[in-house]
Amino acid sequence: QQQVRQSPQSLTVWEGETAILNCSYEDSTFDYFPWYWQFPRESPALLIAIRPVSNKKEDGRFTIFFNKREKKLSLHITDSQPGDSATYFCAAVYQGGRALIFGTGTTVSVSP
Amino acid sequence: EAGVTQSPRYAVLQEGQAVSFWCDPISGHDTLYWYQQPRDQGPQLLVYFRDEAVIDNSQLPSDRFSAVRPKGTNSTLKIQSAKQGDTATYLCASSLSGGNERLFFGHGTKLSVL
Repeated sequence: QQQVRQSPQSLTVWEGETAILNCSYEDSTFDYFPWYWQFPRESPALLIAIRPVSNKKEDGRFTIFFNKREKKLSLHITDSQPGDSATYFCAAVYQGGRALIFGTGTTVSVSP
Repeated sequence: EAGVTQSPRYAVLQEGQAVSFWCDPISGHDTLYWYQQPRDQGPQLLVYFRDEAVIDNSQLPSDRFSAVRPKGTNSTLKIQSAKQGDTATYLCASSLSGGNERLFFGHGTKLSVL
């Protein structure tokens, strides 16, 4: 059973557009939601993260919107750049700090 | 500061062969994780340690996989009798305790089982 789900599986946007990546989860005891990005032939690296006490977290062109009631979150990439082309993983951690559970990923391609 | 170091970078095996992966975490990181990442999928936790203790190995196929971290620093993941379904990249990551802190990943070992 996939505890963290992502959609779409892949996404293509033009340079300058906003990319929207969706994530949903099952377990309400998750209390920390980082997003990791992974470039081809590289390992995942932390991009941005949010806790359920907030409904929004911004870092430059990257913004997480969080809806605790619906158990959904989304990552918005504004003014997308070709260098943003990567696979983005939504992840979750249970209260008490156990290991990260990763979603299935969304591969973003930004065309110049 | 050195990052997480893994070796080897690549391994190619026939079914039934054994292989070991080695990981050296970031100095001072007490928590070490092994993830399996099949092609075009997200990382899936196999096992993780805090110091030398196994915290969760519930997803580790115990009949063929084993992992140790005897001194709470380096770790070894071993596959006793590889199957084609084990083909994946094996990622090691480390962090400071708590689980919410940032994970730092190594470059991984890409395993192909023929």
